[in-house]
This record gives sequence, structure tokens and C-alpha cells, in this order.
Amino acid sequence: IAGITQAPTSQILAAGRRMTLRCTQDMRHNAMYWYRQDLGLGLRLIHYSNTAGTTGKGEVPDGYSVSRANTDDFPLTLASAVPSQTSVYFCASSEGTSGRNEQFFGPGTRLTVL
Amino acid sequence: QQQVKQSPQSLIVQKGGISIINCAYENTAFDYFPWYQQFPGKGPALLIAIRPDVSEKKEGRFTISFNKSAKQFSLHIMDSQPGDSATYFCAAGSGGGTSYGKLTFGQGTILTVHP
Repeated sequence: IAGITQAPTSQILAAGRRMTLRCTQDMRHNAMYWYRQDLGLGLRLIHYSNTAGTTGKGEVPDGYSVSRANTDDFPLTLASAVPSQTSVYFCASSEGTSGRNEQFFGPGTRLTVL
Repeated sequence: QQQVKQSPQSLIVQKGGISIINCAYENTAFDYFPWYQQFPGKGPALLIAIRPDVSEKKEGRFTISFNKSAKQFSLHIMDSQPGDSATYFCAAGSGGGTSYGKLTFGQGTILTVHP
């Protein structure tokens, strides 16, 4: 199935716990992105990667880390979750690294931190 | 800092009416302005996009109007249908400069079209 898969679909997490959100794409896209979606704030970029082996910080990177060991996978880790990280998280990818490229989004992970 | 401001936050339209969503941006380096559509429980998907060398782009019932001097752009949905009910995001991106490779999204508009 072509596209982006994310796991888990949803998760309830105790504050202070470590959590990794998984993202895999099978389109061989160069660039990948992590966003969080909050009502009234839209989609905000957390981290991005223009190619395997490189990553960069987005608008709201604090408390999150990413890695890009290969083209297909781009996991997002919360080292010590806090309630303000309760959100819906979307992974996306694009063929090119230009800001003019269409981004394809996964189905999202709904995370609740208590 | 929100570089793309979107309004209204929510919009209710009757079937057959026109839905209008507005966005304004600050960064003059932006040169690509897409609109994404998101249905409940799904990820956003590209609906239509425009570059600043044209003032309008139309695809079916969806039209983007672009005003470069005012740094504003808008989405018009003609003959709105209940199936158009979704959240709409405007965004801005650039092929170069400090925004290279990234899209900046607006806050989103929840559109409800009543039958």
C-alpha cells in the first residue's frame, strides 16, 4: 500500500514516560516532516529531514527528537512526556526538499499525556 | 510566531452557497501557496495550490485568489456541498531562503455545509 503509515493510532501516556511515534513511507521521498495539530493553532512543524542522515528543527522542537537512519523511517521521540504535548501528531513526506513540493500526510497519532 | 494568519476559525454555509476562507502572510520570500483539506480522522491532503505569478487559479468548484501587494490569498468554494465539510488549511512555502523546504500553515478553518 503506497503512502505513509503511522503507529500507534492513539496512545495515552503518563507524564514523564518516554514515547516513540513511528512513521514509515514507501514512496522513496527525500524529505519527511513531523507536525503537531492543535485546535486554533493549525499544523506546526516540529522537526524535518531533507534526506537520510540529516535532520532540522522546526517551529516547536523543544521536548522532541528525531532520527533519519534511512529513507523510509522517521521516528519522533518524546524523551519525557508532559501534558502540553497532548496533541495529534502527523508525519508527512515530499519528493523534493523545496517548499513548493506537495506534502503527503499520514493518518496521524492521537497522543494524550496525563 | 505565526507567519500565516487564517480566518475565520469556523464557517457554516448552506448547500449551494459560497464558502470563503482568507489568509494573510508576512514573509515576502514565500512563493508557493497551497490549500490542504482534512476530513475528520484523516491527515490533510493537497486541494489546490498557486504561485504568485498569477492572481487566480480555478479547479472545478475551488478557486484561489491571490493578492501579492496585500500579501493575502483566499479560497473560494462555489456551490458548496455537504461533502465539502472539512477543515481547510492554507499554507505558504518557498523554494529558497530561510523557509526552504518547509511549509508554514495557517490556523485552520472548520467548514460545515448544511444540506
